[in-house]
Amino acid sequence: GAVVSQHPSRVICKSGTSVKIECRSLDFQATTMFWYRQFPKQSLMLMATSNEGSKATYEQGVEKDKFLINHASLTLSTLTVTSAHPEDSSFYICSARAQGGNQPQHFGDGTRLSIL
Amino acid sequence: GENVEQHPSTLSVQEGDSAVIKCTYSDSASNYFPWYKQELGKRPQLIIDIRSNVGEKKDQRIAVTLNKTAKHFSLHITETQPEDSAVYFCAASRSAGGGNKLTFGTGTQLKVEL
Repeated sequence: GAVVSQHPSRVICKSGTSVKIECRSLDFQATTMFWYRQFPKQSLMLMATSNEGSKATYEQGVEKDKFLINHASLTLSTLTVTSAHPEDSSFYICSARAQGGNQPQHFGDGTRLSIL
Repeated sequence: GENVEQHPSTLSVQEGDSAVIKCTYSDSASNYFPWYKQELGKRPQLIIDIRSNVGEKKDQRIAVTLNKTAKHFSLHITETQPEDSAVYFCAASRSAGGGNKLTFGTGTQLKVEL
């Protein structure tokens, strides 16, 4: 149980392109989803917390107009990197937490984004 | 905010030996401490977690200890195997369920040598 699916797994695109990444909880309902960014050989840095039906909460230093987050249902959250540039190249990972108390976060497989 | 420090950054052990990774945290309100294992290019996988109402938890070859007074917690892997080689991250959260945001440590690259 507690499977989180993330797509696409890999994106290579030109500078200026907007890229959408999907995060789905397959066998549970997730009231809260989290988006992380991970640079090579570094830790996971939280970008934003996404709550179903409300606006995402962004961490300090993360541009909300650059990284658009939508959490329209209890099983789907999307992250759109708008007008991506080479410095946006990174590994983006989502996680989801099931409803109810004492539920841990479960991670998706991540999306490796490369902007040329 | 919370700050989690993790040591060592790299750890090499011989197969069959034990491995210990240590973390400290700064927020005394943190009460949930998960450990994740991440293989290269893959998702972090939860391997064990501990809540502040206990001092130790064990699951087969893996154990975690927590000292709330000193604000540190440790991961212990016994009888290490090559498949234990990966990056391990500790994390801390104010929510016992992990529903609040997790603050991750910097990671430990564990290499189990034959």
